[in-house]
Amino acid sequence: DTGVSQNPRHKITKRGQNVTFRCDPISEHNRLYWYRQTLGQGPEFLTYFQNEAQLEKSRLLSDRFSAERPKGSFSTLEIQRTEQGDSAMYLCASFRTGGLPEAFFGQGTRLTVV
Amino acid sequence: AQTVTQSQPEMSVQEAETVTLSCTYDTSESDYYLFWYKQPPSRQMILVIRQEAYKQQNATENRFSVNFQKAAKSFSLKISDSQLGDAAMYFCAFLGGGSQGNLIFGKGTKLSVKP
Repeated sequence: DTGVSQNPRHKITKRGQNVTFRCDPISEHNRLYWYRQTLGQGPEFLTYFQNEAQLEKSRLLSDRFSAERPKGSFSTLEIQRTEQGDSAMYLCASFRTGGLPEAFFGQGTRLTVV
Repeated sequence: AQTVTQSQPEMSVQEAETVTLSCTYDTSESDYYLFWYKQPPSRQMILVIRQEAYKQQNATENRFSVNFQKAAKSFSLKISDSQLGDAAMYFCAFLGGGSQGNLIFGKGTKLSVKP
């Protein structure tokens, strides 16, 4: 267990519905990343936060995707009007920036859009 | 923009043998970090090894070592004395901006270990 918690672990939703995922990072980590991963592929960057500030968002990211990190603690990723192409594993990484950098990953949320 | 390329989608190694996984990257920065992460089937991604770009000495962690060629922008991972538990997806990753930038990954190499 890396100490990064993601909920839910699995989500099945109908096309067109909205979904929200939550990530609880390691408490002293001020940076948090979201990635999307499809089977057999590498994590695709979505967005990242430094404390509560969203520093970068992928240009490939549709405006149906939004993320927040209120008070620099947990983070949520919302997908509106889901499409079948959104089916993937969504990974959260809690990042230690002091000293030698290292990303700690959660177990991910597997989204299936039917 | 930085890119990370892993040109070997799959690799196979005999137990107890040595295998090398390749990674190349593209950046105009001079201060950055490189990582190899391991993702076992249905398990969380974990750090295998990390290299600081300003260090010429190659990083080592037990059976894992890297060959970091900064000028060639190459960062390969060598696994010695391969074990069955080494079977996993391996991802090369780049962190720019002197650790303040984005963390991007390659597409991965699936490593199989034959008994």
